[in-house]
Amino acid sequence: NAGVTQTPKFQVLKTGQSMTLQCAQDMNHNSMYWYRQDPGMGLRLIYYSASEGTTDKGEVPNGYNVSRLNKREFSLRLESAAPSQTSVYFCASRTGTNYGYTFGSGTRLTVV
Amino acid sequence: QKEVEQNSGPLSVPEGAIASLNCTYSDRGSQSFFWYRQYSGKSPELIMFIYSNGDKEDGRFTAQLNKASQYVSLLIRDSQPSDSATYLCAVFEETSGSRLTFGEGTQLTVNP
Repeated sequence: NAGVTQTPKFQVLKTGQSMTLQCAQDMNHNSMYWYRQDPGMGLRLIYYSASEGTTDKGEVPNGYNVSRLNKREFSLRLESAAPSQTSVYFCASRTGTNYGYTFGSGTRLTVV
Repeated sequence: QKEVEQNSGPLSVPEGAIASLNCTYSDRGSQSFFWYRQYSGKSPELIMFIYSNGDKEDGRFTAQLNKASQYVSLLIRDSQPSDSATYLCAVFEETSGSRLTFGEGTQLTVNP
């Protein structure tokens, strides 16, 4: 049981490039989330999907788009990367029993 | 005012001591509270959750909740060097998406 799988683990982009971060969960969870984590800022919610077919903005959505492709997969797209988007990105899905999240291993993104 | 605030760190305790981590939250309607542990370079992992006022114990960990004071804490008894990590407090918002709001975290170091 893999849990939440994120790809890639590391990425370096040039300013203006685009990329998609992939996330997949095999726990049959309804809700999925994208967070970014920056030093001194904690975890901040970018977008979330309460269920298949729905997406909503979180605290810091500017510069990002998401797609809930199916129940398993929730991708995050940077259309035109900026240095301010250098961060560690975590995908998470919601467990059903205790409402906590299970996190993926993260993607370390550097925009130069 | 931040929605979830944690006591500023870093916190340093000797091996075998009790480590006390504190968290306050602003939303009186919050119902569920979580503590995550995050080792450096790793993703957060859930270690405790609590819903009811009072104490909840799991091994060396005790979570304490006081909804009237909007206060939740985590006690780690017999602290070990392996407990050295950043501890994140998270509060569950009962709105669409059921998303967690995280504090910035408290870095704990347990000295041998």
